[in-house]
Amino acid sequence: DAGVIQSPRHEVTEMGQEVTLRCKPISGHNSLFWYRQTMMRGLELLIYFNNNVPIDDSGMPEDRFSAKMPNASFSTLKIQPSEPRDSAVYFCASSSSGETTDTQYFGPGTRLTVL
Amino acid sequence: DAKTTQPPSMDCAEGRAANLPCNHSTISGNEYVYWYRQIHSQGPQYIIHGLKNNETNEMASLIITEDRKSSTLILPHATLRDTAVYYCIAMDSSYKLIFGSGTRLLVRP
Repeated sequence: DAGVIQSPRHEVTEMGQEVTLRCKPISGHNSLFWYRQTMMRGLELLIYFNNNVPIDDSGMPEDRFSAKMPNASFSTLKIQPSEPRDSAVYFCASSSSGETTDTQYFGPGTRLTVL
Repeated sequence: DAKTTQPPSMDCAEGRAANLPCNHSTISGNEYVYWYRQIHSQGPQYIIHGLKNNETNEMASLIITEDRKSSTLILPHATLRDTAVYYCIAMDSSYKLIFGSGTRLLVRP
């Protein structure tokens, strides 16, 4: 299995622009997670999907952030408009929920720089 | 989720065992102890998890004290590639992994 795939790996944009990050979970996994990592705040969970349905978006910082999962093999995290403080590494992870313990497998991340 | 406490940094010599401690004195009965690591610029990587019993896999061993208030991750023969930040997390049957600051392990040649 190729593991969790994220694109792009690096994104540089200017303040005010729309940014879309993409994630393909591991085939057969039915849970998907978006995390953000910064030096100041560490790794934070932004949103969690189960069977393509958003279950908990309490970590989404504000209305500028939105996430979708139109099918079991694809998810997007969108920032509109982007701001310099959104600069971070964004990780996607997937797991096969329904097991007693849900091991999450992480993608390589997207490094976002907002100028 | 229970809060975990880890030393900010440790080092060990290549080929020796690395023993990484974690305190989770407020852990509840249904919370598992998970260990992940993050090698520079990569996504976190699952290592091992356990509830009460000691566990071993191809990567590491996990020793959990009888009262479950602390645990130790053991890398039996550390290599330079094991240099990473190691996170100890207490997680219940829900999905939330709450990452703390972790322990930065440096394996010296």
